[in-house]
Amino acid sequence: QVQLVQSAAEVKKPGASVKVSCKASGYTFTNYGINWVRQAPGQGLEWMGWISGYDGNTNYAQKFQGRVTMTTDTSTNTAYLELGSLRSDDTALYYCARITRGGWDFDYWGQGTLVTVSS
Amino acid sequence: QSALTQPASVSGSLGQSITISCTGTSSDVGNYNLVSWYQQHPGKAPKLMIYEVTERPSGVPDRFFGSKSGNTASLTVSGLQAEDEADYYCSSYAGSNNLVFGGGTKVTVL
Repeated sequence: QVQLVQSAAEVKKPGASVKVSCKASGYTFTNYGINWVRQAPGQGLEWMGWISGYDGNTNYAQKFQGRVTMTTDTSTNTAYLELGSLRSDDTALYYCARITRGGWDFDYWGQGTLVTVSS
Repeated sequence: QSALTQPASVSGSLGQSITISCTGTSSDVGNYNLVSWYQQHPGKAPKLMIYEVTERPSGVPDRFFGSKSGNTASLTVSGLQAEDEADYYCSSYAGSNNLVFGGGTKVTVL
């Protein structure tokens, strides 16, 4: 069965960087892309960007360009999200989600990784 | 891109129907048949309920119905059940490998 398992919660200081992982199993990793979506406490979903599992091609939401990097490691079927210059309003639950082939919907989601930014 | 516009809350009685709207622009909802709807219960990851405007993934009850007219997509839930109480989010492809979500709608079953 398809599973996306994310790394554990992180606590970071303002200005630092965080790297969240998302390990995929149960499907051919290179056949699908991974998206990252975040949700601040009590708030809605916010799309951060997309990475191809095939060739690592990326597209980031304009809001995060310049401080976000998405990568994949096809040897371990793992996607990574790195967010830099953290601020308190980056405190959120970060989800990875598999994007369906040919569409723009997310059929499987990770369990979420809580990133807390606090001095 | 700006977030798609959804009502903050919608309520209905058991067995009744509700409709949630999702208004975008001619650059997203109006230009692509790539609108999805997600259900999210407290403390859980979102679950895909509708994709490509009207399609239901396997396992999603046919009480959930998606539609679109112009720049507005809608999710109708008929025969409302207690387990339908959740937050619902729409999303739309917005071109150039970009996606935008709605602000979310809290559905309350009375």
